[in-house]
Amino acid sequence: DQQVKQNSPSLSVQEGRISILNCDYTNSMFDYFLWYKKYPAEGPTFLISISSIKDKNEDGRFTVFLNKSAKHLSLHIVPSQPGDSAVYFCAASVGGSQGNLIFGKGTKLSVKP
Amino acid sequence: NAGVMQNPRHLVRRRGQEARLRCSPMKGHSHVYWYRQLPEEGLKFMVYLQKENIIDESGMPKERFSAEFPKEGPSILRIQQVVRGDSAAYFCASSAGSPGGSKNIQYFGAGTRLSVL
Repeated sequence: DQQVKQNSPSLSVQEGRISILNCDYTNSMFDYFLWYKKYPAEGPTFLISISSIKDKNEDGRFTVFLNKSAKHLSLHIVPSQPGDSAVYFCAASVGGSQGNLIFGKGTKLSVKP
Repeated sequence: NAGVMQNPRHLVRRRGQEARLRCSPMKGHSHVYWYRQLPEEGLKFMVYLQKENIIDESGMPKERFSAEFPKEGPSILRIQQVVRGDSAAYFCASSAGSPGGSKNIQYFGAGTRLSVL
């Protein structure tokens, strides 16, 4: 029973173009969403987050969009760079006393020069 | 380096042995979380601790696994009598504040890769 789903295992994009990574969730109690980037043999690195009271958050080349009615969020990277090649994980949490993040299975992004 | 420190990075154990994984949170962080990642999977939550307290262990297997975060020293994830199915990457994360909102940003260590022979 996957509460956070990343349906695309991989994505290939040309350098300079936009990368769009998608994430769907089923639990309407989620109130905070995060994106992490992971290189092989390293830990996940926090990228950007968004609260459920917002529909967009932007940080440099990274923008996260949240559509609560569709239970969908997406991460846009523009322009994409070869160094962005990594696995991207979407994660969600329920506020209050629960500390755990629920992760998707990840999408492997390849940015080709 | 003020990041989350995990050691060892790689740990090899034979079936039946004990594995001890250590995690030192970021400076100023008192909330620690352990996750496990199997190949081709996302990270799965195991346990959430604050100093000397287990807050949420809903993701911990009922047997052989335990975790602690003592007043002094790192957090320890202990796996007794390891089996081949315990082979995975174990990640520790820490946060500055209680769960919820922007204070729930969890920062991860590089992980410990456990191989059970």
